[in-house]
Amino acid sequence: QSALTQPASVSGSPGQSITISCTGTSSDVGDSEYVSWYQQHPGKAPKLMIYDVNYRPSGVSNRFSGSKSGNTASLTISGLQAEDEADYYCSSYTRSSINWVFGGGTKLTVL
Amino acid sequence: QVQLVESGGGVVQPGRSLRLSCAASGFTFSNFAMHWVRQAPGKGLEWVAVTSYDGSNKYYADSVKGRFTISRDNSKNTLYLQMNSLRVDDTAVYYCARGSIPFAAGNFDYWGQGSLVTVSS
Repeated sequence: QSALTQPASVSGSPGQSITISCTGTSSDVGDSEYVSWYQQHPGKAPKLMIYDVNYRPSGVSNRFSGSKSGNTASLTISGLQAEDEADYYCSSYTRSSINWVFGGGTKLTVL
Repeated sequence: QVQLVESGGGVVQPGRSLRLSCAASGFTFSNFAMHWVRQAPGKGLEWVAVTSYDGSNKYYADSVKGRFTISRDNSKNTLYLQMNSLRVDDTAVYYCARGSIPFAAGNFDYWGQGSLVTVSS
């Protein structure tokens, strides 16, 4: 199972918006309602930020939003804040083989 | 609040075995699927294995199939990962994560702090 494709890095200034893409195939992202996004600060465990493509868990800021078009999912962070600087990973469930695949991760830098 | 606490990591020689545990609290453990996800040093996340809420269904990544076994004891609210024939490339922080639904599908909604496994001679 190949990893999903994410940009290695993105950056933005405080207050700006950024979008991180996550490209898979018609067997994973394109065929799954279970696409999710995780935030990971250095030395910490991942934290769920978006689930089921575009739902936010309780307690996650509404500055975070998710979407999907075809085989590509996207995470958008609006009103960037310094605390958003972290690594972000997408993930997709693959129903045909019952496994999960992650993207390689994107390092977000807040300038 | 949901808590997942891993234990059992350490340094082990190639070819040897190790068992990780994950103690769960703050939720009804027997109602949720549970996963192991690992992260090699400086690398990304890799899904390892899942067990359904009652342990009746288990699935593995190809990289660990036949060597690792996931299990759970719902009476003890504990998840396990038995790792045999360990290889150097199994070196990683191993996270247990709660599945968002009872079955082998869904997302990972809560994560433990991880347990470091180092395979080295």
